[in-house]
Amino acid sequence: DTEVTQTPKHLVMGMTNKKSLKCEQHMGHRAMYWYKQKAKKPPELMFVYSYEKLSINESVPSRFSPECPNSSLLNLHLHALQPEDSALYLCASSRGGDSNQPQHFGDGTRLSIL
Amino acid sequence: GESVGLHLPTLSVQEGDNSIINCAYSNSASDYFIWYKQESGKGPQFIIDIRSNMDKRQGQRVTVLLNKTVKHLSLQIAATQPGDSAVYFCAEIPGRDMRFGAGTRLTVKP
Repeated sequence: DTEVTQTPKHLVMGMTNKKSLKCEQHMGHRAMYWYKQKAKKPPELMFVYSYEKLSINESVPSRFSPECPNSSLLNLHLHALQPEDSALYLCASSRGGDSNQPQHFGDGTRLSIL
Repeated sequence: GESVGLHLPTLSVQEGDNSIINCAYSNSASDYFIWYKQESGKGPQFIIDIRSNMDKRQGQRVTVLLNKTVKHLSLQIAATQPGDSAVYFCAEIPGRDMRFGAGTRLTVKP
């Protein structure tokens, strides 16, 4: 079992809907990440939070809005998504402070846009 | 641009044999490397890491080798088991963020 918990596991939404993906970790990690993974492709970095502050935004469209309410939680708010946004969305965390630390992943939310 | 890549997209081995998965990187600034295993329906799972001041690191049934001269990374799995079937990604960290290679699918035949 992973120590990074993501909910929901599956999400189907229309292009006009607003939904949120949630991620939680209780390892005391201070860096948290969102990745997008398309089928048969490697994960692609979207956002990085370090000590609850957004430190990297990899030119992600504004229809994806991250939020880090506290050091254990990470949300990804979704609005007006497109069919090409259908993918597996992965959350990860690492100890933080030092970039040379392994990231630990959740099992992802599989998102389908109708 | 500089990137992480893999020589073989697929690898099929007999149960009990040793497996070797290769990865080429080109970013000379990378000083930390990780191998991940991703099973169907799951997130990437950390297997082993290595820092650039090392050329070999061993774990349980796995060994990672780093050749900085030719910018090459490999993952060796001893006595491969059916449970080892998965996609394996190498990842490099040249600075603040981590970049994955394309991945290799390992299939273990009984």
